[in-house]
Amino acid sequence: NAGVMQNPRHLVRRRGQEARLRCSPMKGHSHVYWYRQLPEEGLKFMVYLQKENIIDESGMPKERFSAEFPKEGPSILRIQQVVRGDSAAYFCASSPPSRGSTDTQYFGPGTRLTVL
Amino acid sequence: DQQVKQNSPSLSVQEGRISILNCDYTNSMFDYFLWYKKYPAEGPTFLISISSIKDKNEDGRFTVFLNKSAKHLSLHIVPSQPGDSAVYFCAPRSSGTYKYIFGTGTRLKVLA
Repeated sequence: NAGVMQNPRHLVRRRGQEARLRCSPMKGHSHVYWYRQLPEEGLKFMVYLQKENIIDESGMPKERFSAEFPKEGPSILRIQQVVRGDSAAYFCASSPPSRGSTDTQYFGPGTRLTVL
Repeated sequence: DQQVKQNSPSLSVQEGRISILNCDYTNSMFDYFLWYKKYPAEGPTFLISISSIKDKNEDGRFTVFLNKSAKHLSLHIVPSQPGDSAVYFCAPRSSGTYKYIFGTGTRLKVLA
């Protein structure tokens, strides 16, 4: 029973390059969330997606960041023209189809992005 | 504006004793509260939760207490074990949203 999978675990990019982070939710889960953790801080919500739909992207920076969860394949968080301030740990979480208001989110191991 | 505060960045406890981790919040709309445990280089792992209609929830060695009037919750671990050494985050959520608001975490060290 595989958990949430993220790859790569570590990603190094130079300023101006693009970063693509992938997330495969737990089997049977259809909701995906992305969070970012800066050093010495808690996790900050970025975006919530269901298959082919962005439900809530209120935590996403307005520029350079985008996310998708296609019908087939993993969810992708894309950061264009990365800057040093994008260096952080990016966590994906998933939850099952909603049966109520108390869905627990299960987290992947994270992708640590370093921008040189 | 920090809606969730974990004012103790770190805590050391002797093995076998009780660990008490605290969390304060300001948003009265929060109605569901989770605790996550995080080891280095891993993602947060769900530990225990409590709904705002309760004031206590227990699961084995872990108990969470909620004081709505004080906007305070606490996680008790008893007896503490060395394997409990990790960073603990409280993460409440507002009614009708999916957005968990994480505190900054408390690093617990259980000494053998």
